[in-house]
Amino acid sequence: QKEVEQDPGPLSVPEGAIVSLNCTYSNSAFQYFMWYRQYSRKGPELLMYTYSSGNKEDGRFTAQVDKSSKYISLFIRDSQPSDSATYLCAMRDTNAGKSTFGDGTTLTVKP
Amino acid sequence: DAGVIQSPRHEVTEMGQEVTLRCKPISGHNSLFWYRQTMMRGLELLIYFNNNVPIDDSGMPEDRFSAKMPNASFSTLKIQPSEPRDSAVYFCASSLAGLAEDTQYFGPGTRLTVL
Repeated sequence: QKEVEQDPGPLSVPEGAIVSLNCTYSNSAFQYFMWYRQYSRKGPELLMYTYSSGNKEDGRFTAQVDKSSKYISLFIRDSQPSDSATYLCAMRDTNAGKSTFGDGTTLTVKP
Repeated sequence: DAGVIQSPRHEVTEMGQEVTLRCKPISGHNSLFWYRQTMMRGLELLIYFNNNVPIDDSGMPEDRFSAKMPNASFSTLKIQPSEPRDSAVYFCASSLAGLAEDTQYFGPGTRLTVL
């Protein structure tokens, strides 16, 4: 079983919908949680970063971490066609030099 | 800064040939990562360097793969001999290790096709 499991998708929603993207993990040592966005034929880029448990909001995006359940989510409000991309969760522990990535969820927002 | 630079952007080669992928990390970054991405396996970490020293190469699939980082501004990933199953997009990423956020900045990738 993989250390990080991500809802596979693909996900297709109408413009304006609320989107929920989710990952679960097994390593309780993970402390840093990231969401990367990858547009087609591009490299991933960091979208949100959260340390430990809690919520973090940035505009239409909210990252949520529940360490007790080993579950993280990314919410997108008022989704736009420009949000169409693959979203990858990533996480690492305090002393690790590397992050462990989920396989990604491909989102399509239809106008 | 120009970001992480990778070359070539596309590579088509025949089975058995040697392939060399190149990466120039962001100036000042001290960690460099090589990833491979496929539809079937997602994003896989192959190897990462810290201060030019390989730290973890457990993701390197087999002896046909090798990576070097001769200095802080250049790294190569070599496949010899190449096989069709090596076809994938190979990403290089760099970061400034030691910061809590430790964001990885990815290059545009090299799309490798082995016929």
